[in-house]
Amino acid sequence: QKEVEQDPGPLSVPEGAIVSLNCTYSNSAFQYFMWYRQYSRKGPELLMYTYSSGNKEDGRFTAQVDKSSKYISLFIRDSQPSDSATYLCAMSDGYNKLIFGAGTRLAVHP
Amino acid sequence: DVKVTQSSRYLVKRTGEKVFLECVQDMDHENMFWYRQDPGLGLRLIYFSYDVKMKEKGDIPEGYSVSREKKERFSLILESASTNQTSMYLCAGGKGLAGNYEQYFGPGTRLTVT
Repeated sequence: QKEVEQDPGPLSVPEGAIVSLNCTYSNSAFQYFMWYRQYSRKGPELLMYTYSSGNKEDGRFTAQVDKSSKYISLFIRDSQPSDSATYLCAMSDGYNKLIFGAGTRLAVHP
Repeated sequence: DVKVTQSSRYLVKRTGEKVFLECVQDMDHENMFWYRQDPGLGLRLIYFSYDVKMKEKGDIPEGYSVSREKKERFSLILESASTNQTSMYLCAGGKGLAGNYEQYFGPGTRLTVT
């Protein structure tokens, strides 16, 4: 079993939809949680960074961490075609290397 | 604006060739990383470095070596390229070794070994 599981998609939604992207993990020691966005032919860029449990909001993006369920989510409100990308979750216990999910491909069509 | 640059975007090499992938960061960060990215497997850590001339193996170091002679430069070397090393290679820099600090990624080098 992988330490971090992420559905690869692809996920196709119409413009304006609410998008929910998710990862599950098995290591209860993880306490740093990140979402990276990767456009085609580019390197990943950090989108959201959360420490421990709870929610974090940044514009149209909300990151949610549920440590009891070992489940993290990224919500995108009012999705735009420019949100079309691969979204990677990543996490760490703060002492060891980052562990990445395989990434979910998202396509937002006009 | 922080920047990580990689020497080539696309590279085609033959089996058995020695391949050098170069990465330069302008962030003055101690830590640099080399990952490879394959469909369905995500990012896997090959090597990382926490200081000049220091290096540590990641999860998949076999067939690779690295060099860090200057703080801003971290090179990945494929000693004898093989077809199973065809992949996207991503370099990153960061303040921390673990996930307690952001890692900044370069644009990637897509390597094809024929």
